[in-house]
Amino acid sequence: NAGVTQTPKFQVLKTGQSMTLQCAQDMNHNSMYWYRQDPGMGLRLIYYSASEGTTDKGEVPNGYNVSRLNKREFSLRLESAAPSQTSVYFCASTPGYGYTFGSGTRLTVV
Amino acid sequence: KNEVEQSPQNLTAQEGEFITINCSYSVGISALHWLQQHPGGGIVSLFMLSSGKKKHGRLIATINIQEKHSSLHITASHPRDSAVYICAVSGNSGGSNYKLTFGKGTLLTVNP
Repeated sequence: NAGVTQTPKFQVLKTGQSMTLQCAQDMNHNSMYWYRQDPGMGLRLIYYSASEGTTDKGEVPNGYNVSRLNKREFSLRLESAAPSQTSVYFCASTPGYGYTFGSGTRLTVV
Repeated sequence: KNEVEQSPQNLTAQEGEFITINCSYSVGISALHWLQQHPGGGIVSLFMLSSGKKKHGRLIATINIQEKHSSLHITASHPRDSAVYICAVSGNSGGSNYKLTFGKGTLLTVNP
């Protein structure tokens, strides 16, 4: 089915470890986003890519890096994980009207 | 002050009741979105509005641009409607920037 695919669905990291969250969409959307969802905080924008070849910081970019590998793929990297990065991460894409979200990655940093 | 405010935060209803969730925003927008998230689940886009009213099945969304206010209505509510409903707005900065600003969500529980 067409949509946004995120991997992995669950991950436990130790403080200081690194990992990359993968996101791919097959709808030919230009814009892609990474959000984190924390209890009582709502969803907050980490980084976004308005089009292939561009990336920009969102509201909470510290501790993260991103790569827009091609039009389909937008990855989020944690270089040195911290307990404050324990969250649920959602990738999303849009052609400019309506959004499609991935199913989320539940990350725990211990 | 959050740019997007939702009320109520929590809502419990009996099956069959008419439900209203409200959203107010304080910034200029290009569109308002209503999203649904079931417990432990992903996020599904229900509506995208820039004016007027939209209806899909038992769900109705309205927006008043002048008052910066939107409502999501559910008619004949059912336990399967139990979920978090999230209001979000996309800015009017133009270009290809469609990033969303989210409300904190309304947890709806519909009891049989």
